[in-house]
Amino acid sequence: GAVVSQHPSWVICKSGTSVKIECRSLDFQATTMFWYRQFPKQSLMLMATSNEGSKATYEQGVEKDKFLINHASLTLSTLTVTSAHPEDSSFYICSARARHYNSPLHFGNGTRLTVT
Amino acid sequence: DQQVKQNSPSLSVQEGRISILNCDYTNSMFDYFLWYKKYPAEGPTFLISISSIKDKNEDGRFTVFLNKSAKHLSLHIVPSQPGDSAVYFCAASAQGGSEKLVFGKGMKLTVNP
Repeated sequence: GAVVSQHPSWVICKSGTSVKIECRSLDFQATTMFWYRQFPKQSLMLMATSNEGSKATYEQGVEKDKFLINHASLTLSTLTVTSAHPEDSSFYICSARARHYNSPLHFGNGTRLTVT
Repeated sequence: DQQVKQNSPSLSVQEGRISILNCDYTNSMFDYFLWYKKYPAEGPTFLISISSIKDKNEDGRFTVFLNKSAKHLSLHIVPSQPGDSAVYFCAASAQGGSEKLVFGKGMKLTVNP
């Protein structure tokens, strides 16, 4: 089946630094990638939709200058958490959909970010 | 306003019995529904989906039922196995799946040997 690789799986950083998370579709081309955030015992909250070659679309309440998304190719999207604060500590998950619009989303294994 | 609701946070069943996970939605524009399974510290794994033109979809031990008039869907797992123990998320989308997915809060299923 379709595989989405997310890296790193966990990261610890200091307040004020930036962290980049990569999301790759390994065996299919993903025109659209999605970035989610999950708090403990909560649902996955969509942060932004990333379309290859264009600007990301951010959900209401998500700061686009803080969470920079780049979708430079059909197989790679990156999320950069800039000037991280402890409240940014969370589980970030990317997902990708193949070109066919009705194909299911395939998720990466997530990145556990801890900001100290 | 939560558009996709999984009202029961957990379910415990015996191995070999049926597991029934329920999901309700409020947005009548939703026409594509999916179930995902998630283990701790991992991303969700797609299980099964159903389009609103159907009322049932079956894949091995997993069957999803859709009741559009009640805005309700359910996932049946039979027979349940200990390896099915995980958190299950219901998700919904409009425009045949081209719109963004909206997830429920998830339900933790425990299958006891």
